[in-house]
Amino acid sequence: AQKITQTQPGMFVQEKEAVTLDCTYDTSDQSYGLFWYKQPSSGEMIFLIYQGSYDEQNATEGRYSLNFQKARKSANLVISASQLGDSAMYFCAMREERDTGNQFYFGTGTSLTVIP
Amino acid sequence: EPEVTQTPSHQVTQMGQEVILRCVPISNHLYFYWYRQILGQKVEFLVSFYNNEISEKSEIFDDQFSVERPDGSNFTLKIRSTKLEDSAMYFCASGAGRDQPQHFGDGTRLSIL
Repeated sequence: AQKITQTQPGMFVQEKEAVTLDCTYDTSDQSYGLFWYKQPSSGEMIFLIYQGSYDEQNATEGRYSLNFQKARKSANLVISASQLGDSAMYFCAMREERDTGNQFYFGTGTSLTVIP
Repeated sequence: EPEVTQTPSHQVTQMGQEVILRCVPISNHLYFYWYRQILGQKVEFLVSFYNNEISEKSEIFDDQFSVERPDGSNFTLKIRSTKLEDSAMYFCASGAGRDQPQHFGDGTRLSIL
């Protein structure tokens, strides 16, 4: 089974509108972390937001918020007031903890296009 | 804002040659990582490094790969005998703690001919 599933290969959103990028994860660990990264066409990976499995409140960072539904194992990214510069690939990732270290898994990504 | 830097930005190497990819993590970070992303595919975890030793590695990180922190600032990934399928973007990342977000470098695009 896939550890991280992003079911939306491509999404379009009108500028200034909000958009939700879906992410579901699969783990039997009690302690884990969830991340979202943005990858523009230039290729770099930009950290956006982090949610720990024990965090009771949804993480927020500026226009980004993470809709964390633990029972459903989903960690959707919500971008409010989309801007043209938000057009990029977005990756959901998970950290699983091991005794010796952490393993990390990335989803296949969602390509977001913001339309003027 | 401090950032992770990677050099070179693009490396072209003949198959079978050794290649070393270099990274300078954020100075007060303690955890270091290498990832790769084959063109058009998802990012794959290779290895994590803490306290001067590998703490976790994936199945991809076989005997042809090694990592080293030769001094207090650099973190390197060596591929001993490159194969065509090693062509990918290689990302270095660092984090302040085990459960802290990782900050990525801009990547090194490795092309094996």
